[in-house]
Amino acid sequence: GAGVSQSPSNKVTEKGKDVELRCDPISGHTALYWYRQSLGQGLEFLIYFQGNSAPDKSGLPSDRFSAERTGGSVSTLTIQRTQQEDSAVYLCASSLATSGTGELFFGEGSRLTVL
Amino acid sequence: AQSVSQHNHHVILSEAASLELGCNYSYGGTVNLFWYVQYPGQHLQLLLKYFSGDPLVKGIKGFEAEFIKSKFSFNLRKPSVQWSDTAEYFCAVMGGGSQGNLIFGKGTKLSVKP
Repeated sequence: GAGVSQSPSNKVTEKGKDVELRCDPISGHTALYWYRQSLGQGLEFLIYFQGNSAPDKSGLPSDRFSAERTGGSVSTLTIQRTQQEDSAVYLCASSLATSGTGELFFGEGSRLTVL
Repeated sequence: AQSVSQHNHHVILSEAASLELGCNYSYGGTVNLFWYVQYPGQHLQLLLKYFSGDPLVKGIKGFEAEFIKSKFSFNLRKPSVQWSDTAEYFCAVMGGGSQGNLIFGKGTKLSVKP
């Protein structure tokens, strides 16, 4: 597609429920990133994919968070047993990893509200 | 580990004032440096970037940034701001040659009064 696409754009869920957030990167971009943006916290790195593998999972806040990427394209971020502190905007970005530029193209984000 | 510090949380300026937003990073090796901007209601987009060469880099909309290696800094500047520059600005660093983690600062919100 023309840009990075994320869904849903907004998600309201109850504490304890599981949620799935989807990211469709720019066609041909092999690198895919997930960040979390909270008020006053800036962009918190969660996980990075190169193709289907995740060389760096260091940012996942807890074992309730997991992510996968299939076919070198679409990625899903799953949060199990959501907590109120998980409320944030989850941003996905993709880049042409082979370019070495590190320039990331961001989606609009998925705003998660946990009640 | 890499880290990025942005000194100002919120900057308020009048139109035509000059702007300088501070950014310092912590990383021992060569770095790639970036400024991203998020306009209200829009997604993050690249403003400018530094990889090597001339330490003064120019970006879109009249912005520029200077890489000062000895100070581990990459401050963003604009001689004369406009109301349309109201946005949140994020500095980011990636270790040179790395295809991995891009670390962002906490951001600086810029409000420009008309």
